[in-house]
Amino acid sequence: KQEVTQIPAALSVPEGENLVLNCSFTDSAIYNLQWFRQDPGKGLTSLLLIQSSQREQTSGRLNASLDKSSGRSTLYIAASQPGDSATYLCAVRTDSWGKLQFGAGTQVVVTP
Amino acid sequence: EPEVTQTPSHQVTQMGQEVILRCVPISNHLYFYWYRQILGQKVEFLVSFYNNEISEKSEIFDDQFSVERPDGSNFTLKIRSTKLEDSAMYFCAIIKAELSNQPQHFGDGTRLSIL
Repeated sequence: KQEVTQIPAALSVPEGENLVLNCSFTDSAIYNLQWFRQDPGKGLTSLLLIQSSQREQTSGRLNASLDKSSGRSTLYIAASQPGDSATYLCAVRTDSWGKLQFGAGTQVVVTP
Repeated sequence: EPEVTQTPSHQVTQMGQEVILRCVPISNHLYFYWYRQILGQKVEFLVSFYNNEISEKSEIFDDQFSVERPDGSNFTLKIRSTKLEDSAMYFCAIIKAELSNQPQHFGDGTRLSIL
């Protein structure tokens, strides 16, 4: 059974620092992995999708890496801003049209 | 513009009543998903729906739940007799292309409160 874990559960950094968010999964046979942002009481905004065959994916200040064999993905956010404060979720899909299995998220606070 | 719109944004219902949550994609998507998130907990999968049939469902999706696409566009989740523990945010998600290696896009959710 696939288990997705995100550590740490919460993180507070001063503005300008780089953020490093970790996601681990127990079954390396994944189809792809998706990172989301969730603001309080709101929906999930897709940030990056990384396919099982890829090592990394980039969008602006965001970079996600994937090491499938060790069951890990890392989301890097460069030069953090207060607007980056949110909860970041990772989710894995184990087959082509299948469900997403989510981690519990990392709550990020960026202080001015 | 979001890929999918959910209505209502908030629903308050007495225990035992039926509720219908709606999801409207902006174009003709193939795969639909329902998830829920109980306050303070992980997002959990409920059901996936393809070509007017359930593709996969979780243990949570028992006989009290049903899904349908009544008019070819709207996608609904019905809870027949609500319980207190059904209180949660319910999210609809879609894959918007015919290729499966695309991201799932989520709506803003419906907050369901059972009294």
